[in-house]
Amino acid sequence: DTAVSQTPKYLVTQMGNDKSIKCEQNLGHDTMYWYKQDSKKFLKIMFSYNNKELIINETVPNRFSPKSPDKAHLNLHINSLELGDSAVYFCASSPEWGSEAFFGQGTRLTVV
Amino acid sequence: DAKTTQPPSMDCAEGRAANLPCNHSTISGNEYVYWYRQIHSQGPQYIIHGLKNNETNEMASLIITEDRKSSTLILPHATLRDTAVYYCIVSSGAGSYQLTFGKGTKLSVIP
Repeated sequence: DTAVSQTPKYLVTQMGNDKSIKCEQNLGHDTMYWYKQDSKKFLKIMFSYNNKELIINETVPNRFSPKSPDKAHLNLHINSLELGDSAVYFCASSPEWGSEAFFGQGTRLTVV
Repeated sequence: DAKTTQPPSMDCAEGRAANLPCNHSTISGNEYVYWYRQIHSQGPQYIIHGLKNNETNEMASLIITEDRKSSTLILPHATLRDTAVYYCIVSSGAGSYQLTFGKGTKLSVIP
């Protein structure tokens, strides 16, 4: 069983569209994260979410919004997609904030 | 911004020990040292973490200096599958921006 799963694995879309990436973890963890890895391979945290408390990296545009229907899911919704949003997005979870994290396989988003 | 510095790349012969250094001279007393690796096109994988004492698990050993300003990740018998980018991270687990990854070390295991 996959511990942290993301869908879709690949996403190609046009500028201006709205898209969502889904993430589910079956580890029973309390904290989930979204990371962005750009073309230079830098991996930067976007959001961390713990018991309905959201911490946002202030550099993330407000076009990006995480949505958590329950503790096992943290979806990423992106409005008005831009070319610069093209990247690989990773979801992760950990037993508690800042402890060892388990990552999904990533979603490669390409905006054309 | 990452609080650690690592060499950009290293080579290691297959079957030999790979020793990956990391400097974290500004680490504070409540911060742990974490190591992750990212194999090409996959998500990062947790390896090991420690606070003060040396740690060992089935994947690797972590040696932390007494002043905690640097650490070394040791892969005792490197295989070709260990070729990856290795990230050293400090984290306090306090709910601030956690697990900020730096550039890491690209380890190439050579047959």
